[in-house]
Amino acid sequence: AQTVTQSQPEMSVQEAETVTLSCTYDTSENNYYLFWYKQPPSRQMILVIRQEAYKQQNATENRFSVNFQKAAKSFSLKISDSQLGDTAMYFCAVQYNTDKLIFGTGTRLQVFP
Amino acid sequence: DTGVSQDPRHKITKRGQNVTFRCDPISEHNRLYWYRQTLGQGPEFLTYFQNEAQLEKSRLLSDRFSAERPKGSFSTLEIQRTEQGDSAMYLCASSQTLYEQYFGPGTRLTVT
Repeated sequence: AQTVTQSQPEMSVQEAETVTLSCTYDTSENNYYLFWYKQPPSRQMILVIRQEAYKQQNATENRFSVNFQKAAKSFSLKISDSQLGDTAMYFCAVQYNTDKLIFGTGTRLQVFP
Repeated sequence: DTGVSQDPRHKITKRGQNVTFRCDPISEHNRLYWYRQTLGQGPEFLTYFQNEAQLEKSRLLSDRFSAERPKGSFSTLEIQRTEQGDSAMYLCASSQTLYEQYFGPGTRLTVT
């Protein structure tokens, strides 16, 4: 079975600091995409960042970057200069040859002033 | 672009009743997905349409669930004879490219 594991149910960080959220996945596929989605309280899911498995270079989107370790099947999200608006549930997801996303259980991130 | 919309946003129903949810994708998005999210969990895939064709269904989608996408535009998800275990957030997403899904706000279903 293809699974996604987020081992940190909750994380907290002070405003302006850096935090890293962990994600591991299990697959025998070679081609796939990895995603981090953000779900703010009572708001809809938003795509934060995407990584193609065939690319060695780690993806970056402004304050968000990933550390993709294909051999280790690890895909962590680093948020730099954390802002209060980053408070949300963060979901790691994998997409294989089919179109469906397979999500982890999420990490609740709280940013404190 | 108005984004993916879902209606209703909240639905409370009694066990045994039928409910229907609607999803309007972003215009020109030919792919449409339904997911279910229970409390404390990530979304789980239910089914997927490309245009009007339903291409994949999860084993989570029991015979009480049916989804349609007539004419490849909006989609409906119907649950017949609802059970308390059906209580969840039902999310719809759409995409134009294979690897970028845009989510709607969801429909929260409570079965009493």
